[in-house]
Amino acid sequence: ETGVTQSPTHLIKTRGQQVTLRCSSQSGHNTVSWYQQALGQGPQFIFQYYREEENGRGNFPPRFSGLQFPNYSSELNVNALELDDSALYLCASSPPSAGEEQFFGPGTRLTVL
Amino acid sequence: AQRVTQPEKLLSVFKGAPVELKCNYSYSGSPELFWYVQYSRQRLQLLLRHISRESIKGFTADLNKGETSFHLKKPFAQEEDSAMYYCALKPSGGYNKLIFGAGTRLAVHP
Repeated sequence: ETGVTQSPTHLIKTRGQQVTLRCSSQSGHNTVSWYQQALGQGPQFIFQYYREEENGRGNFPPRFSGLQFPNYSSELNVNALELDDSALYLCASSPPSAGEEQFFGPGTRLTVL
Repeated sequence: AQRVTQPEKLLSVFKGAPVELKCNYSYSGSPELFWYVQYSRQRLQLLLRHISRESIKGFTADLNKGETSFHLKKPFAQEEDSAMYYCALKPSGGYNKLIFGAGTRLAVHP
């Protein structure tokens, strides 16, 4: 059974650019959540996708958007990058039952210069 | 407001000493509480959840609704327990949003 994978591992962008981060969920998991973890902080919930629809969102502006594909993999897109977007972005997948454990990927480290 | 507070950034103990990692939460309903752990160069993983009332790797945590706390305890710390520990809250409702605390680094010295 393959765990959650994320790509790329590291990314450097400049202010104003756009970025796409990718996540492959664990086999059998149809729910994907994205979190932003700033340095020295705990992960902060961005949004969740279930069956290709966004079904929950945290306190993030609309320039943070996402997609989920039929194979349950997911993308996180961030437009008009700001310096404060520099963080570790974590993807987590969970199986169909509500309240199940979330399995985290290794994260993508985004640096905005 | 929904919030999880871990008051200690770092907890340093010697091997064999008792450990208590503090977690307080603010939530008006009935949340689910979790402890996640991240060992060096590994990904974040679930340690335990209050619903299961299990003891994992010797750790236990009791939900105290009166004090809105969910402290993580272990009677005798081991060097391999050194890691970053995050307390997390899942609000009641339909989706798997987790609200994390800032984390406590546990360092167990020989």
